[in-house]
Amino acid sequence: NAGVTQTPKFQVLKTGQSMTLQCAQDMNHNSMYWYRQDPGMGLRLIYYSASEGTTDKGEVPNGYNVSRLNKREFSLRLESAAPSQTSVYFCASTSTGSTNEKLFFGSGTQLSVL
Amino acid sequence: EDQVTQSPEALRLQEGESSSLNCSYTVSGLRGLFWYRQDPGKGPEFLFTLYSAGEEKEKERLKATLTKKESFLHITAPKPEDSATYLCAAYLRGYQKVTFGTGTKLQVIP
Repeated sequence: NAGVTQTPKFQVLKTGQSMTLQCAQDMNHNSMYWYRQDPGMGLRLIYYSASEGTTDKGEVPNGYNVSRLNKREFSLRLESAAPSQTSVYFCASTSTGSTNEKLFFGSGTQLSVL
Repeated sequence: EDQVTQSPEALRLQEGESSSLNCSYTVSGLRGLFWYRQDPGKGPEFLFTLYSAGEEKEKERLKATLTKKESFLHITAPKPEDSATYLCAAYLRGYQKVTFGTGTKLQVIP
């Protein structure tokens, strides 16, 4: 089982460049999430998608856009990268309805913006 | 505004010295409360999901409990390998939003 797959694992950008972080899950989950993690800040929610066709802003959406391409895929785009977006990015997914729901996480993308 | 607050920010224990971590939440409607463990350079590792006040779950030296306003992660006789950052998160009813606290960094000294 692949679970949640994120690409790339590492990326270095120059200020102003754009890029898309890819996330795919093979567990038929309804909900998908993008978080960023900075030292001492825990996980902060950027955007989430409760179901295919819907997306909502989280706590820190500025500078990002998302696309829920289909049920499996949820991408995060940085249109014009800034040094403040240097962080570790995690994608996660879950599905409601079971008695032991949990978030499944990808392995993370370490992004540096110079 | 939905908020999840964890305390303390950092905790240093001697091996065998039991303690508790706190997670308090103010949210519009709680569906469930998650606990995760995270080691440096790794993604979060799932520990527990709690759904209703009074519920308790255990795993090895860890026990999680839930009230209407907070959750506790009790660590009994910790070992150095329990050193990690422990994260809690509120899973909200209705729109499936999941909000994390900033974590408690636990260090267990031999």
